[in-house]
Amino acid sequence: GEDVEQSLFLSVREGDSSVINCTYTDSSSTYLYWYKQEPGAGLQLLTYIFSNMDMKQDQRLTVLLNKKDKHLSLRIADTQTGDSAIYFCARGGATNKLIFGTGTLLAVQP
Amino acid sequence: GAVVSQHPSWVICKSGTSVKIECRSLDFQATTMFWYRQFPKQSLMLMATSNEGSKATYEQGVEKDKFLINHASLTLSTLTVTSAHPEDSSFYICSASVGGGGADEQYFGPGTRLTVT
Repeated sequence: GEDVEQSLFLSVREGDSSVINCTYTDSSSTYLYWYKQEPGAGLQLLTYIFSNMDMKQDQRLTVLLNKKDKHLSLRIADTQTGDSAIYFCARGGATNKLIFGTGTLLAVQP
Repeated sequence: GAVVSQHPSWVICKSGTSVKIECRSLDFQATTMFWYRQFPKQSLMLMATSNEGSKATYEQGVEKDKFLINHASLTLSTLTVTSAHPEDSSFYICSASVGGGGADEQYFGPGTRLTVT
């Protein structure tokens, strides 16, 4: 299977919380990232977590890392229509090389 | 700060011609630049890693003679798709890094959409 996997699609209502999940196979990753890509655009780094952390919160974003299960999640509180985009998780190490997940399309319904 | 630009943003070319895509770090010096390719509704695949002044390191399966990468200065890397064919049509994204190993030191360009007819 793929090295970094995500579910393809998530639909939520405006104001609800969104949870986007990611699983990976390589436990040697130093950092795990979440990127946002809007249509036809490049990637915007949202947040990242060091592999020895369990949780990181940054305003509306909460990242949870379960290293034992190799599972990463991104929770977006109070989701807005402007949050509609594709979200990629990625893993990285000392070489700064990033391996991206398959991407999750988040659709926010007004 | 940390802005990366790409030029052109969209290019259409005929099969058999070559196309050059530029990636520039506008307000910082990038020791390393990365080139990615993204097919519609798919993830980004790393094509090559380029360090200023040295030859690029290509990922397995990427033809180095087809995708020529030049990183002549700390602010500019170019990707030339030689003898382009319709299957080379894709979204090409570059990123630039200020140093090795940092978590948030890689900045992405807006991408270049290549269509080969």
